[in-house]
Amino acid sequence: EAGVAQSPRYKIIEKRQSVAFWCNPISGHATLYWYQQILGQGPKLLIQFQNNGVVDDSQLPKDRFSAERLKGVDSTLKIQPAKLEDSAVYLCASSLAAQGTQYFGPGTRLTVL
Amino acid sequence: GQQLNQSPQSMFIQEGEDVSMNCTSSSIFNTWLWYKQDPGEGPVLLIALYKAGELTSNGRLTAQFGITRKDSFLNISASIPSDVGIYFCAGTSSTGTASKLTFGTGTRLQVTL
Repeated sequence: EAGVAQSPRYKIIEKRQSVAFWCNPISGHATLYWYQQILGQGPKLLIQFQNNGVVDDSQLPKDRFSAERLKGVDSTLKIQPAKLEDSAVYLCASSLAAQGTQYFGPGTRLTVL
Repeated sequence: GQQLNQSPQSMFIQEGEDVSMNCTSSSIFNTWLWYKQDPGEGPVLLIALYKAGELTSNGRLTAQFGITRKDSFLNISASIPSDVGIYFCAGTSSTGTASKLTFGTGTRLQVTL
């Protein structure tokens, strides 16, 4: 069974530019999560989707971050405009149901210069 | 917000030694999970604990869910080089139909031959 896929794996941009990340969850998984992992810290939840609806986005900086999962399958996370402190690994995870085990993708490492 | 403190932050051990790390929280969690993260990869679930006082083993790994539901420990016996990585504890708390995962600060394990 294929795992959670993410692209790109690495991205380098300058501050104030825009960037988008893509995630394809494990087939059949209804719940999808985006996490931000700053170097030396544990992952922090940004947003959680149940199918194509948002369940929890309380820690998403909505002035610059947005995410969508229009068809309830793959998802995109966008940052516009990026700041230096957005440099981090962005992890996508999925689970069969909201209470289920979360499986993580390899992440996208973002560097903002 | 909820915080999970892990200790130690990092440790160097010799191959064959046993390892112990723990995690404490200021809040009660419904479940405790232990993940391992290798460089360039997302976290992988090692052990899940569902009840206060529960002691669970997975091969050379043993973990316990504290009676107060505010702490957990992970032991690794007879460490081998592939045990190198960052170990994260995580606690889940329910918010309606959602299950929120809060990660600890991580313990970096390095094994010398």
